[in-house]
Amino acid sequence: NAGVTQTPKFRVLKTGQSMTLLCAQDMNHEYMYWYRQDPGMGLRLIHYSVGEGTTAKGEVPDGYNVSRLKKQNFLLGLESAAPSQTSVYFCASREGTDTQYFGPGTRLTVL
Amino acid sequence: GENVEQHPSTLSVQEGDSAVIKCTYSDSASNYFPWYKQELGKGPQLIIDIRSNVGEKKDQRIAVTLNKTAKHFSLHITETQPEDSAVYFCAARLSGGGADGLTFGKGTHLIIQP
Repeated sequence: NAGVTQTPKFRVLKTGQSMTLLCAQDMNHEYMYWYRQDPGMGLRLIHYSVGEGTTAKGEVPDGYNVSRLKKQNFLLGLESAAPSQTSVYFCASREGTDTQYFGPGTRLTVL
Repeated sequence: GENVEQHPSTLSVQEGDSAVIKCTYSDSASNYFPWYKQELGKGPQLIIDIRSNVGEKKDQRIAVTLNKTAKHFSLHITETQPEDSAVYFCAARLSGGGADGLTFGKGTHLIIQP
């Protein structure tokens, strides 16, 4: 039982490049979330999903897209990366209880 | 939406002493308040949580108190140890939101001095 895993762990992009971050969970959770963490800002919700095939916007969705084609996977895409998207990205999942389980994070730098 | 304020941003205590971190929230409809511990280079890990129908909860050296009237909740760590050094985040979630994520405070860097 690996819990929540994220791929890749680190990535450096140039402005305008695109990439996809993958989150996978093996706990059969319905709900999945993408957060970003910036120094002194805590964690802020980007997008979330209530189940396979569904997605919704969070607090800071601009510049990101998501997809949940399979229940266990939640993908976060950056179509045209900007330096303001330099951050650490965390994925989380939960089932019926309130507890959210977080992955180890992806550190993204956009030059 | 919900807004969570957390204080202090940095807290330094002597090993063996107690540490208290405080948070306030803005929306009285919030009903779930977790605390997360984040070590360097790792994801946040839940250490304790409390729901709005409870005033206090304890788990060994860690306790959380909730004052719904004042809309604030606090984390108490007693007999602090070096491994307690980390960044701690409080969070709140609105009731009825179902799928909505958590709103986090900005974090407290707890430093345990030997």
